Amino acid sequence: EPEVTQTPSHQVTQMGQEVILRCVPISNHLYFYWYRQILGQKVEFLVSFYNNEISEKSEIFDDQFSVERPDGSNFTLKIRSTKLEDSAMYFCASSSRQANQPQHFGDGTRLSIL
Amino acid sequence: GQQVMQIPQYQHVQEGEDFTTYCNSSTTLSNIQWYKQRPGGHPVFLIQLVKSGEVKKQKRLTFQFGEAKKNSSLHITATQTTDVGTYFCAGRMTGGFKTIFGAGTRLFVKA
Repeated sequence: EPEVTQTPSHQVTQMGQEVILRCVPISNHLYFYWYRQILGQKVEFLVSFYNNEISEKSEIFDDQFSVERPDGSNFTLKIRSTKLEDSAMYFCASSSRQANQPQHFGDGTRLSIL
Repeated sequence: GQQVMQIPQYQHVQEGEDFTTYCNSSTTLSNIQWYKQRPGGHPVFLIQLVKSGEVKKQKRLTFQFGEAKKNSSLHITATQTTDVGTYFCAGRMTGGFKTIFGAGTRLFVKA
């Protein structure tokens, strides 16, 4: 069964450094999402992406965050200047051609900011 | 802002007992999805409800969507140890792409 893949599985970064989290969505999916989950807490919506642009974003997704689909397969989340509170699990998800379809999640990237 | 409240936060049951988790949205939803997350894992899609008053079943799991499309529930009949994990509801806001997750209910099942 097709899967959403995320790399790396764990990223350790110094505070203030830039970090890029990578995702390869399911190949025929058109809608892409990033979520984060602080340890022990709920899953929080960050951003949705469709047709090469952001379709919606949350209050969390400030100017420090950006997303990109640099080629036909990758979908990246960049955090420009990381803060301690950015430490969390970041999940990428994708859904198929219609907007109201289930989202398939990747295994996540655990981001640890020191 | 838009919120999806989920209760209870935790539930301890004896194997064989039933379990229910409830979600309530502050606004009318386009649809609601349910996910299960095992410790250390990622959310795994269980089901999506779209229609007002919809009820769906998956073996021992029964999902309901309220008439006003603002609340939902997941009921597990005769829990098994394999049911352990955190169950999240996730509401899709009307007219948008944003999905708001509930805080989750963590289920513990004692054999």
